[in-house]
Amino acid sequence: GDSVTQMEGPVTLSEEAFLTINCTYTATGYPSLFWYVQYPGEGLQLLLKATKADDKGSNKGFEATYRKETTSFHLEKGSVQVSDSAVYFCALGPDSNYQLIWGAGTKLIIKP
Amino acid sequence: DADVTQTPRNRITKTGKRIMLECSQTKGHDRMYWYRQDPGLGLQLIYYSFDVKDINKGEISDGYSVSRQAQAKFSLSLESAIPNQTALYFCATSETGRAGEQYFGPGTRLTVT
Repeated sequence: GDSVTQMEGPVTLSEEAFLTINCTYTATGYPSLFWYVQYPGEGLQLLLKATKADDKGSNKGFEATYRKETTSFHLEKGSVQVSDSAVYFCALGPDSNYQLIWGAGTKLIIKP
Repeated sequence: DADVTQTPRNRITKTGKRIMLECSQTKGHDRMYWYRQDPGLGLQLIYYSFDVKDINKGEISDGYSVSRQAQAKFSLSLESAIPNQTALYFCATSETGRAGEQYFGPGTRLTVT
């Protein structure tokens, strides 16, 4: 079945460092891909999405490109801030039941 | 005001008690979802509803039940709580045709002792 694999966390970086959080997937068909972010004590919120191969999603300085040849959707940001500390979830879908398939989440810690 | 609200935000209860978690939304979305979050396990879908008369089991529905009282309200019940149901519970909504774009409530932290 379809699945999403994210790099394990926590990922700890210094402020202004370059960020990559890896996400790879297996899927039949042509799903959309999503990154959600969960700030401490809050619910998840959609960060960005891509609906077809080679699409790039972007928001708040974050980017991710839908790579069909490598089945990847890695999240990147050029210069992270302390306020980016959160848990990031990669997801694909919707599946045949119109649901999202979620990765396990990657905790990001940014130190000043 | 928040678009998706959950009550209570925190609850401690004892094994065997019946618990209801409530979710309300003002986004006008037809679809609503209940998820459970455990550390390191991501999100697991408990139940989802496409409209008031269409309710479906998710991947971990055993031990849970739901009620869709109106388009805006979706409640999750634990009929007889057990300690391994201790978790963070989220309600979410989405528009029909945009299932990937979900809007989440702030969560309910449930502890079963």
